[in-house]
Amino acid sequence: EPEVTQTPSHQVTQMGQEVILRCVPISNHLYFYWYRQILGQKVEFLVSFYNNEISEKSEIFDDQFSVERPDGSNFTLKIRSTKLEDSAMYFCASTRTDTQYFGPGTRLTVL
Amino acid sequence: SQQGEEDPQALSIQEGENATMNCSYKTSINNLQWYRQNSGRGLVHLILIRSNEREKHSGRLRVTLDTSKKSSSLLITASRAADTASYFCATSNTGFQKLVFGTGTRLLVSP
Repeated sequence: EPEVTQTPSHQVTQMGQEVILRCVPISNHLYFYWYRQILGQKVEFLVSFYNNEISEKSEIFDDQFSVERPDGSNFTLKIRSTKLEDSAMYFCASTRTDTQYFGPGTRLTVL
Repeated sequence: SQQGEEDPQALSIQEGENATMNCSYKTSINNLQWYRQNSGRGLVHLILIRSNEREKHSGRLRVTLDTSKKSSSLLITASRAADTASYFCATSNTGFQKLVFGTGTRLLVSP
């Protein structure tokens, strides 16, 4: 059964550094998303992406964040200058209809 | 916002018992989805119910939706220790829009 995959599973970085989180959505899906979950809190929407452009973004998704679909399979989230409060689990999701399928997540730790 | 709230926050039962979790939301929705999250891991999609549906079943899961009360419930019958996880409801305004997650219910099923 097709799955959303994410790499790396865990990323540790220093405050101020750039990180790129990678996702491979399910191959025939058309809509892609990033969410995050700070430890012990609810899952929060960051951004949705369709037809090679952002379709919606949350207040969290400020100028420090960007997304890209560099080729036909990858979907990336870049944080330009990480802050301590960016420490969270980041989930990628994709859908073709209305059921969103989530990847296993990348745990980002900012020191 | 569509913010969902779930209750109870935590539920502890014995194997074989039924577990019921409730979710409330604030605005009109297109669909409501339930996800399971094992500790520190990814979100597994359980079931989707659309706004024009009142009840759906999938294996040991039964979901109801009452749009007049803006609430949903997830019933897990004959629970097993492997059902121990956090359960989240998530709502969407349209088929492809962002999901807004509830606060989750932590379920502990003891052998």
